[in-house]
Amino acid sequence: GAVVSQHPSWVICKSGTSVKIECRSLDFQATTMFWYRQFPKQSLMLMATSNEGSKATYEQGVEKDKFLINHASLTLSTLTVTSAHPEDSSFYICSAAGSANTGELFFGEGSRLTVL
Amino acid sequence: GDSVTQMEGPVTLSEEAFLTINCTYTATGYPSLFWYVQYPGEGLQLLLKATKADDKGSNKGFEATYRKETTSFHLEKGSVQVSDSAVYFCALTDSGNTPLVFGKGTRLSVIA
Repeated sequence: GAVVSQHPSWVICKSGTSVKIECRSLDFQATTMFWYRQFPKQSLMLMATSNEGSKATYEQGVEKDKFLINHASLTLSTLTVTSAHPEDSSFYICSAAGSANTGELFFGEGSRLTVL
Repeated sequence: GDSVTQMEGPVTLSEEAFLTINCTYTATGYPSLFWYVQYPGEGLQLLLKATKADDKGSNKGFEATYRKETTSFHLEKGSVQVSDSAVYFCALTDSGNTPLVFGKGTRLSVIA
């Protein structure tokens, strides 16, 4: 199946710094990517929908100035957590829609962010 | 809006036991249905899917049938193994480029 790669897998940063997470579709072009956040032992919460070449669409309650999403190419979307605080510590997962338009999403491995 | 309801976990089973994880959904159209699995410390992987009523998805011994009349997509496996210990998510989408709607996940622990 299609491969989506996230980097970094783990990141620890100090409070107040910014962290960038990359999501790449390795063997297909993804016009749409989705960013999810997963709290411990909970389900995935959709944060935003990222479309190549346009502004991301954020879900209600997600601060767009805090979580900057850029989708500059058909194979790369980035999530930048700006001025991170401990409450931003979480598992962030990206996914991309497959080209077959079957509704299946391919997920990255996830990035665990810990803000000290 | 669309929603997915899964049975609450955790579920603890002995090896070779029969597994059922219930999943029901609410959707305005005719969604595609999925089961994803998340092993400890990893991201999500597609386990199986069904795109229309009466379709049966199957993989690695797991099965689920798309039941439109009961709006259900229950996950079953006849004989679980310790390696099946993971969190299982039921999900749906109405179309190819819309985000998945996930259930809350069910944690399965299989003991030897």
